[in-house]
Amino acid sequence: DADVTQTPRNRITKTGKRIMLECSQTKGHDRMYWYRQDPGLGLRLIYYSFDVKDINKGEISDGYSVSRQAQAKFSLSLESAIPNQTALYFCATSDHWGLAGEETQYFGPGTRLLVL
Amino acid sequence: LAKTTQPISMDSYEGQEVNITCSHNNIATNDYITWYQQFPSQGPRFIIQGYKTKVTNEVASLFIPADRKSSTLSLPRVSLSDTAVYYCLVYSSASKIIFGSGTRLSIRP
Repeated sequence: DADVTQTPRNRITKTGKRIMLECSQTKGHDRMYWYRQDPGLGLRLIYYSFDVKDINKGEISDGYSVSRQAQAKFSLSLESAIPNQTALYFCATSDHWGLAGEETQYFGPGTRLLVL
Repeated sequence: LAKTTQPISMDSYEGQEVNITCSHNNIATNDYITWYQQFPSQGPRFIIQGYKTKVTNEVASLFIPADRKSSTLSLPRVSLSDTAVYYCLVYSSASKIIFGSGTRLSIRP
């Protein structure tokens, strides 16, 4: 979805380095998510945010942190990157109308991260 | 958590109707059922969502029996461009979002 952008699209880094992946959206949605996807597997939720200053851990938050600086921006940081964090990372926003499950998620194009 | 079970893969031919069934035996009262489609190296794309009975939109139908323990995504007259991975999600809380491994659908000419 062109309304959800991620930077960078590709990144190579070394073990121990701190890196940040950024997500921006122009949809005006309150909810934002970060996922990672490993080859041949489904997406796993890292963190999610329902509003500015609201941060919630997902299934695999260890080794990651996030910041919701504004409604439109949600960044993911790897404090000290390790090789098993090599993956495809997706950001998503959500248009919701009721309970958490009553939503449509819109995904960005992904960031391919390689940790050497 | 409402664990879902889907076939790992399916094959079909252009012009056929494809039905992908998802089992979710321990679905909770507030859980909604949502299907996403994913092409290689792209983010998933929303297909359809439902709570009970039948839902239809311009690309698919979703059939949910009364006990809601399963659901079936129906794709009418598939084309080569429908080759993708399809995920069934069942949740009512963001902390319960699980994509699973999905169903890899291959469409042949």
